[in-house]
Amino acid sequence: EAGVAQSPRYKIIEKRQSVAFWCNPISGHATLYWYQQILGQGPKLLIQFQNNGVVDDSQLPKDRFSAERLKGVDSTLKIQPAKLEDSAVYLCASSSGSPLHFGNGTRLTVT
Amino acid sequence: AQSVTQLGSHVSVSEGALVLLRCNYSSSVPPYLFWYVQYPNQGLQLLLKYTSAATLVKGINGFEAEFKKSETSFHLTKPSAHMSDAAEYFCAVTVRGGADGLTFGKGTHLIIQP
Repeated sequence: EAGVAQSPRYKIIEKRQSVAFWCNPISGHATLYWYQQILGQGPKLLIQFQNNGVVDDSQLPKDRFSAERLKGVDSTLKIQPAKLEDSAVYLCASSSGSPLHFGNGTRLTVT
Repeated sequence: AQSVTQLGSHVSVSEGALVLLRCNYSSSVPPYLFWYVQYPNQGLQLLLKYTSAATLVKGINGFEAEFKKSETSFHLTKPSAHMSDAAEYFCAVTVRGGADGLTFGKGTHLIIQP
């Protein structure tokens, strides 16, 4: 089966700019997750979708981060405006129960 | 809320030696436990998972882990390290399988000495 697809692979922006990441989960996977992985740390859950509804966004900085999953398939994560501390790898994962399947991530550098 | 603690941010072993990566969990309900591996510039790949069946779980690439409730541990082992095992390893926990997002430890970087 095709894996979780993410784009772009790398992105460099200046602080205060906006950026968007895209994720296409494995076909048929109802649950989609966005994780933030800061260098030297484990991934931290930002938001979890079940189909097109939000299950958990308690750790999403809602003043600057937003995410949507229209039609319950693809998802986008947006940051506006970006801060230096947003530099990280943003991982998308999907599942149809257990376990989670991860994409290769988008590495964001904010200068 | 659940959490995991990985002891040792870096572990170095010689090729052919035993690999032991430590993970302790905290959970108020029976947990589901996972080990993932991450190679440079790649996503996370599942090594193995514990979901309340057998306490000794065998995974890919010769790795295995044992769930010990009395010690709240889920340590990862491999009898003989290979150079290709060099990577970052993450222990993770959830309490409702895939219905909840995973909570990850900070990771252990495994270094294999020739």
